[in-house]
Amino acid sequence: QKEVEQDPGPLSVPEGAIVSLNCTYSNSAFQYFMWYRQYSRKGPELLMYTYSSGNKEDGRFTAQVDKSSKYISLFIRDSQPSDSATYLCASGRSGNNRLAFGKGNQVVVIP
Amino acid sequence: NAGVTQTPKFQVLKTGQSMTLQCAQDMNHNSMYWYRQDPGMGLRLIYYSASEGTTDKGEVPNGYNVSRLNKREFSLRLESAAPSQTSVYFCASRRTADGYTFGSGTRLTVV
Repeated sequence: QKEVEQDPGPLSVPEGAIVSLNCTYSNSAFQYFMWYRQYSRKGPELLMYTYSSGNKEDGRFTAQVDKSSKYISLFIRDSQPSDSATYLCASGRSGNNRLAFGKGNQVVVIP
Repeated sequence: NAGVTQTPKFQVLKTGQSMTLQCAQDMNHNSMYWYRQDPGMGLRLIYYSASEGTTDKGEVPNGYNVSRLNKREFSLRLESAAPSQTSVYFCASRRTADGYTFGSGTRLTVV
């Protein structure tokens, strides 16, 4: 079992819709949680960073962490065609230099 | 500020040839990583270096070697390339508990 599971199925939504992406993780020691965005033929870039449980909002993006259920979510409000990308979740813990990544979800926002 | 710079961006090798992928970061990060990304497989860690002078194996180290030349540079070497090593390779660096900063990738094809 991978430490972070992300259903890699592609997701197509109409412009303006809410995009909802989810991951689960298995290591209860994980303390920080991230979402990366990767445009086609580019490297992943850090989008959201959350320490411990709770919500974090940045513009149209909201990251949620529920440590009780080991569930990580990313919501994109008022989605735009420029949000079309692959989104990867990642988790890690203090004292460990490595992050565990999900496989990524390809999101297509249709104008 | 360049961030993480990878060279080359593209490469075609014949089976059995060798090559070195170069990576340099200018953010004074301690840790550096090499990943490969394949369709449906997500990011897989090849090798990492927690600090200057140390290297460790990741998930898929076979067929690769690395050198942490100094704090800035971390190279990945393929001694005898195989078609199974056709992939997109990403270098990343990280300060302590922050997210990774990724390079733009090297697209390698082994024929």
